[in-house]
Amino acid sequence: KNQVEQSPQSLIILEGKNCTLQCNYTVSPFSNLRWYKQDTGRGPVSLTIMTFSENTKSNGRYTATLDADTKQSSLHITASQLSDSASYICVVSDRGSTLGRLYFGRGTQLTVWP
Amino acid sequence: GAVVSQHPSRVICKSGTSVKIECRSLDFQATTMFWYRQFPKKSLMLMATSNEGSKATYEQGVEKDKFLINHASLTLSTLTVTSAHPEDSSFYICSAQRDTETQYFGPGTRLLVL
Repeated sequence: KNQVEQSPQSLIILEGKNCTLQCNYTVSPFSNLRWYKQDTGRGPVSLTIMTFSENTKSNGRYTATLDADTKQSSLHITASQLSDSASYICVVSDRGSTLGRLYFGRGTQLTVWP
Repeated sequence: GAVVSQHPSRVICKSGTSVKIECRSLDFQATTMFWYRQFPKKSLMLMATSNEGSKATYEQGVEKDKFLINHASLTLSTLTVTSAHPEDSSFYICSAQRDTETQYFGPGTRLLVL
């Protein structure tokens, strides 16, 4: 069964600190993995996208890693800011075409305190 | 580029009435549009996939006659919730995809049925 599991479910950190969010998946065949940021009451916004051959991708203070062998990904946030408070969703696509299906994790709710 | 808008952002309606939600790709032509539903603290659930000029493909368990989807052009798809009930209250998100690229999500529409 194709699944995407994220951990932790929620996380509270102090402003300026770093954190790492985890994503494990069983989706096969694998096409790509995306991390999205979703603010409360808003649609998801893409942070990174990685294909099978990529094992790291950065976007500002966000760095995503991918281990296609163990089917694990992480999203590392450095020097957190209050505006980082949001839900971070791991999404895996099973093939690179319009027929591709997206599998969503439940997200990690990150709260950054001042 | 790749901006997707939704209208309205939030709507309140009475039970038994119908509500139409619009999804537009503002700066690109979307070959495929998707409609999702999201409950609080849950992941996005795909409701249906629509291609311009053809009938939408609904996910298992989604009532076609209840959630009418019209994809009239390459930049516009509409979701009409017919005979709305309180249990239809949810956050509805659309996404648009061009060719085989990333899905770009709209900001979402909060529906409350009284």
